[in-house]
Amino acid sequence: NAGVTQTPKFQVLKTGQSMTLQCAQDMNHEYMSWYRQDPGMGLRLIHYSVGAGITDQGEVPNGYNVSRSTTEDFPLRLLSAAPSQTSVYFCASSSADRETLYYYGYTFGSGTRLTVV
Amino acid sequence: AQSVTQLDSHVSVSEGTPVLLRCNYSSSYSPSLFWYVQHPNKGLQLLLKYTSAATLVKGINGFEAEFKKSETSFHLTKPSAHMSDAAEYFCVIYSGGGADGLTFGKGTHLIIQP
Repeated sequence: NAGVTQTPKFQVLKTGQSMTLQCAQDMNHEYMSWYRQDPGMGLRLIHYSVGAGITDQGEVPNGYNVSRSTTEDFPLRLLSAAPSQTSVYFCASSSADRETLYYYGYTFGSGTRLTVV
Repeated sequence: AQSVTQLDSHVSVSEGTPVLLRCNYSSSYSPSLFWYVQHPNKGLQLLLKYTSAATLVKGINGFEAEFKKSETSFHLTKPSAHMSDAAEYFCVIYSGGGADGLTFGKGTHLIIQP
């Protein structure tokens, strides 16, 4: 089925460890984003990309890195995990009309639940 | 600047009764507005969207929302609640600019009483 695939679904890290959350989409979407979801906070944008080779910071980028070498993949890296990064992480992708900037809406992955101890 | 405010963090209704989830917005531009639903331990699913066409928008699973510019509101309604509607609902605004143009509300937890 077409969509956004996130791996792993669950992860426990020790403080200071590093890891990469994987995200792949097969819809040829230009836009991809990473959000974190914390209780009572809604979703907050970490990093986003408007195409291969182009990334930018969102609302809460500290402690996270991203890259976009292909249209399909948008991995999120935690270089040195901290307990404050315990959260549920969602990857999303979307397409938009380049002339009108009409936005078609995001497709979300099923999430990665990360615990940092 | 843009923002959305979901006026209720929790809403509880009985099965078979109407559902109303309230959302007010603020935007300097003509916005697009969305409602997403998140079932427990799942990702977010698009329910419906408003993009400056008809002000009454119909979505999936019997939900609809009405864009009221004069009241800066985009409330989500359903005539008759079903147990499967129990979930978290997010009102989202988009004012352009690509992937960084989305702002999420903090969510409304919908509880359905049997």
